[in-house]
Amino acid sequence: SQTIHQWPATLVQPVGSPLSLECTVEGTSNPNLYWYRQAAGRGLQLLFYSVGIGQISSEVPQNLSASRPQDRQFILSSKKLLLSDSGFYLCAWSAGSGYTFGSGTRLTVV
Amino acid sequence: RKEVEQDPGPFNVPEGATVAFNCTYSNSASQSFFWYRQDCRKEPKLLMSVYSSGNEDGRFTAQLNRASQYISLLIRDSKLSDSATYLCVVNGGTALIFGKGTTLSVSS
Repeated sequence: SQTIHQWPATLVQPVGSPLSLECTVEGTSNPNLYWYRQAAGRGLQLLFYSVGIGQISSEVPQNLSASRPQDRQFILSSKKLLLSDSGFYLCAWSAGSGYTFGSGTRLTVV
Repeated sequence: RKEVEQDPGPFNVPEGATVAFNCTYSNSASQSFFWYRQDCRKEPKLLMSVYSSGNEDGRFTAQLNRASQYISLLIRDSKLSDSATYLCVVNGGTALIFGKGTTLSVSS
């Protein structure tokens, strides 16, 4: 069966520090992968999506970047975090209709 | 106009009540529709897909009106465990677009 792993579960980082969140999928090949962010009191905002290795599309201009070095690995990064980067980061995969989400990373930038 | 709009609630209902959530979407070309459930501080999980003919899954019934660009979710005989935020979701072509969610609180 397909599973999606996301880590860490929680993270507290100072302003200006770098960020790397990792997401891996098991049990499927060539999945579409997505990064969403859910800020406090707001809906899920699509940040990046990828249809294959090295293929990244960005939905909104921001302080973040994404990479897909392997078929089932999706990484979200930042060189210098801002306070506004705080939120609940969710990785998701799709092999048809509907998405399956990872358990998320709750990031607090202080 | 926001792409997917929902009444944020909260909806506070007693156990056993019937409650309905509504949602409107702006992209008339959308082809796929879903309801997700999100528990506090957890990831969203697929509750059910929504089909044009309407569909039912136990106590849950989803309806789609393409002409009005309107989606609904009906929950019958509410349980305490139904307390959560319900997200209306529409396929935006590139990716799924999520509403901000409607919060349901079921009390005994």
